[in-house]
Amino acid sequence: EPEVTQTPSHQVTQMGQEVILRCVPISNHLYFYWYRQILGQKVEFLVSFYNNEISEKSEIFDDQFSVERPDGSNFTLKIRSTKLEDSAMYFCASSEVSLKQYFGPGTRLTVT
Amino acid sequence: AQTVTQSQPEMSVQEAETVTLSCTYDTSESNYYLFWYKQPPSRQMILVIRQEAYKQQNATENRFSVNFQKAAKSFSLKISDSQLGDTAMYFCAFMNPPLTSGTYKYIFGTGTRLKVLA
Repeated sequence: EPEVTQTPSHQVTQMGQEVILRCVPISNHLYFYWYRQILGQKVEFLVSFYNNEISEKSEIFDDQFSVERPDGSNFTLKIRSTKLEDSAMYFCASSEVSLKQYFGPGTRLTVT
Repeated sequence: AQTVTQSQPEMSVQEAETVTLSCTYDTSESNYYLFWYKQPPSRQMILVIRQEAYKQQNATENRFSVNFQKAAKSFSLKISDSQLGDTAMYFCAFMNPPLTSGTYKYIFGTGTRLKVLA
């Protein structure tokens, strides 16, 4: 069965640095999402992306965040200047037109 | 705004027994979808079961079934014949059909950590 993949599995960065989290959605999917899960807390929606533009974003997704689909296969989340509170598990998901979103295994981001 | 509440942070069950995880939600919408996701220690989230709000019949997937009470806004998950592999974090999630953009988003509860004991 096709899977969503994410790299790296774990990223450690210093506060103030830029990070790019990468995702490869399932190839025929058209909708892409990022969620995050701060340790011990619930999974929170960050942003959805369709037709090369953001469809919806949450309050968390401020100007420090951006998403891109640079080459038709990858879907990236960039955090421009990381803060300690950005430490979390970041999940990418993709879907066809259907309701079911397929989640990747996540990238654990640790900001020190 | 929609909210999802899971009031049981942790639960345990003996192998082969039955356990029920609770979930309540709040919405003013009449058309929506509810889900249970499982997040094992490997951390990849896996869809367990889905329920459409317009369907009165409770969804069932093998050992997993739901008790959907629309008026009470309750959506509990029953796991029968619990197995060690069921040990995981279970998230209840709500989804509204999108108005215009065609994208859906989940609203998750805080999760229930289930441990199946040998």
